[in-house]
Amino acid sequence: GQNIDQPTEMTATEGAIVQINCTYQTSGFNGLFWYQQHAGEAPTFLSYNVLDGLEEKGRFSSFLSRSKGYSYLLLKELQMKDSASYLCAVKDSNYQLIWGAGTKLIIKP
Amino acid sequence: GAVVSQHPSWVICKSGTSVKIECRSLDFQATTMFWYRQFPKQSLMLMATSNEGSKATYEQGVEKDKFLINHASLTLSTLTVTSAHPEDSSFYICSALGMGEGNQPQHFGDGTRLSIL
Repeated sequence: GQNIDQPTEMTATEGAIVQINCTYQTSGFNGLFWYQQHAGEAPTFLSYNVLDGLEEKGRFSSFLSRSKGYSYLLLKELQMKDSASYLCAVKDSNYQLIWGAGTKLIIKP
Repeated sequence: GAVVSQHPSWVICKSGTSVKIECRSLDFQATTMFWYRQFPKQSLMLMATSNEGSKATYEQGVEKDKFLINHASLTLSTLTVTSAHPEDSSFYICSALGMGEGNQPQHFGDGTRLSIL
């Protein structure tokens, strides 16, 4: 079967750095996506990796290793507004998006 | 950027009522639309995928006669929850992709919170 694993919950301190890991086993690979979802809201797109390596976008970076079936989302200079769920999703060989259960990130002052 | 508008954002109605949710692509042609449901503290669950002009493809366990999906134009898809009951209360979210965007991020609507009394 296809599955995506990410930690259920993480806690970090305002101003710090946090890394959220995601491992996947899918039938084929056509890109990995990270979304942010605040409670009661729809997901918003953060980043997209299709080739190995690091993609940087301001305070957020995402890394991909296709051979290891592994990605991480790195959030720097954490702010209270970064408290949200972070969803990892992979497009398989049929371009079907397979979603992880999400990681709830709690930021403490 | 591509904008998807979902309406209404919040619905409260009595058990047995049918509820229609609209999803519109405002500045692009949405060849494929996706309907998701999300229960509290759970991840997104794909209900169905629809391509313009075709019948929707439902995920296993989703009743197609209860959740009617229409994607009659390149800018509008609707989800009708027929004879809704309290267990149908959930957060429903649509997303869309334009032509040639198979490996691109989906464009999400803002979601509809459905509460059945």
